[in-house]
Amino acid sequence: GESVGLHLPTLSVQEGDNSIINCAYSNSASDYFIWYKQESGKGPQFIIDIRSNMDKRQGQRVTVLLNKTVKHLSLQIAATQPGDSAVYFCAENIGYSTLTFGKGTMLLVSP
Amino acid sequence: GAVVSQHPSRVICKSGTSVKIECRSLDFQATTMFWYRQFPKQSLMLMATSNEGSKATYEQGVEKDKFLINHASLTLSTLTVTSAHPEDSSFYICSAYTSGSTDTQYFGPGTRLTVL
Repeated sequence: GESVGLHLPTLSVQEGDNSIINCAYSNSASDYFIWYKQESGKGPQFIIDIRSNMDKRQGQRVTVLLNKTVKHLSLQIAATQPGDSAVYFCAENIGYSTLTFGKGTMLLVSP
Repeated sequence: GAVVSQHPSRVICKSGTSVKIECRSLDFQATTMFWYRQFPKQSLMLMATSNEGSKATYEQGVEKDKFLINHASLTLSTLTVTSAHPEDSSFYICSAYTSGSTDTQYFGPGTRLTVL
C-alpha cells in the first residue's frame, strides 16, 4: 500500500533566480516574526526578523514582507545561490520570547 | 556573537539508559533556554522552557519525569532523557534567549539521539 508520511513543501529554483518563500501565521496578537534557515543535521540559523509595526525589512540579499491583514509573511532571497539550499522556517513570537514555528519550506537551488 | 553550543552532537545508547545533553551560551548570558525536538522533515516542537534558577515549564504532552531539565547557570542548561526508548530517538535542539535589539532565540547545532 501507499506509505503515508510528511512532506515539506519544496521550492525548486535555478541559481541566480529570486526565491519567495511564504508563511501563514496563526495568532493575530503576534508582534515579532523571524525567519530561520536550517541546513541538514544542523540547528536553525537566524536570517532576518521583523516587528509588527513594520511591513518590510531588508537585509543582505533577503527581504521580509509582513501582511498583518491576512496574517502572511514572506521571505524573498535575491540571486539565489546553491548555498541557500536548506529548509526555511518562519516563527512568530506569541509572548515573552516563546516562538511558534511554521511547518517549513525546503528550498532547492540547482546550478 | 550569540553562539550556542550543544554536547554531544551525536549519541547512541541502549534502551533503558539515560542520556544527558548540555546546552551552553558561549558569549552571552541567557535568561531563558528552550528545548526543542525535531523529527525528520518536520518542524521544531517546543518541549520546555527553562529559566535559570527555577523549574522548567513543560509543554502539554511532554513528560517532565522523562525529560529532566536543569538550568544551573545563565550559560548552561541540561536535558536528561531518562530510561530512553527507541521512540525517544530524535534530533534535540536547544536555544538561548537574550533580550536586546533582536529579542530572538539563538539555536545550538542540535544533538542526534539514537536509542537502540
